[in-house]
Amino acid sequence: SQQGEEDPQALSIQEGENATMNCSYKTSINNLQWYRQNSGRGLVHLILIRSNEREKHSGRLRVTLDTSKKSSSLLITASRAADTASYFCATDGGGTQGGSEKLVFGKGTKLTVNP
Amino acid sequence: KAGVTQTPRYLIKTRGQQVTLSCSPISGHRSVSWYQQTPGQGLQFLFEYFSETQRNKGNFPGRFSGRQFSNSRSEMNVSTLELGDSALYLCASSSGQYTDTQYFGPGTRLTVL
Repeated sequence: SQQGEEDPQALSIQEGENATMNCSYKTSINNLQWYRQNSGRGLVHLILIRSNEREKHSGRLRVTLDTSKKSSSLLITASRAADTASYFCATDGGGTQGGSEKLVFGKGTKLTVNP
Repeated sequence: KAGVTQTPRYLIKTRGQQVTLSCSPISGHRSVSWYQQTPGQGLQFLFEYFSETQRNKGNFPGRFSGRQFSNSRSEMNVSTLELGDSALYLCASSSGQYTDTQYFGPGTRLTVL
């Protein structure tokens, strides 16, 4: 079953604009990760945020996490055509021992950045 | 370090056949996880191997199986293929610590005719 649910399902913006994607999940987590996938290819890891962190930056990416609302957001600033891809959030099982390698993915947000 | 590699990249099989997919993790990583991606169901966890032992298992029928070798390379086998098994199969490697990042390979695109 899907734990993470991204919103919106699709987003179309112009180059230079910011893109914000949201993710909601259902159970407790140790961390939440964001991945990018270009047209049926493998997933590229973007950023991992731990449950005790509220915000994290990496280049043009900014991720926030609100564990009380069980939600996260990914902001891409000054978007480029090359950012066109599907973006997924993934949560772990929230376990306290090794063996929680099972990531649960949402259905993703399809981002289109128009030149 | 070299990334996660998967072979073959594309595969076409017919119903009833079986298939074996291979995944080589990043050097030093001991955990390999497998995922199935379809348009309808999205990304779903199949199983995870750590130090040659299956440590986690998703909700897939017994036709889906896997193994891991002493060098951490992993194989996934699907027997008696069904049309619905057509999907992108992704493997991911990590150190095996539950808070660690998983790194994905490019995937194997399986088409069942």
